[in-house]
Amino acid sequence: GNSVTQMEGPVTLSEEAFLTINCTYTATGYPSLFWYVQYPGEGLQLLLKATKADDKGSNKGFEATYRKETTSFHLEKGSVQVSDSAVYFCAQGSGNQFYFGTGTSLTVIP
Amino acid sequence: GAVVSQHPSRVICKSGTSVKIECRSLDFQATTMFWYRQFPKQSLMLMATSNEGSKATYEQGVEKDKFLINHASLTLSTLTVTSAHPEDSSFYICSAREGSGANVLTFGAGSRLTVL
Repeated sequence: GNSVTQMEGPVTLSEEAFLTINCTYTATGYPSLFWYVQYPGEGLQLLLKATKADDKGSNKGFEATYRKETTSFHLEKGSVQVSDSAVYFCAQGSGNQFYFGTGTSLTVIP
Repeated sequence: GAVVSQHPSRVICKSGTSVKIECRSLDFQATTMFWYRQFPKQSLMLMATSNEGSKATYEQGVEKDKFLINHASLTLSTLTVTSAHPEDSSFYICSAREGSGANVLTFGAGSRLTVL
């Protein structure tokens, strides 16, 4: 079946550190892949997406590349800021079916 | 971009009362909306898929008589928690998928329900 597995947190980084949050998926077919971000007390916001293999989604300095050969969609940012502290969800979607990872909490300290 | 408005953002009610949460797509028509429940520091749990003009599809283990979902128009879906109890206290989030076939979910800001 379809599922998403992402790195467990919590993750704590110093400001300007490099961030990687791993995400892998299992799917029948070729879903679209997403990263959503949830700030405290808020709903989820789409951070970036990729709709086909080798696509790179990017936004606000975050990047993720759709890797079909490794079924991965790892999130990266070269230099995190305190304002990036949030919970990050990896997700896959196809038609009306969306599957979310368990979320990874990121805390960036000054 | 697409915007989903969810109301109320916070609600406190007494045990045994019913609470309605609204989810509106503001600038697009949403043939499909989804309702999630999120416990503290946990992931989203899909409760049901709401389709405009038809009955909602509930996930296994979700009581459809307790969590009533109505999707009467292309821009509005409502979740009513009936006879709420303290264990229903949670963060409820809706999302909508544009009717154009866009494969992206847009989320509301969530509703924090506290049942006393």
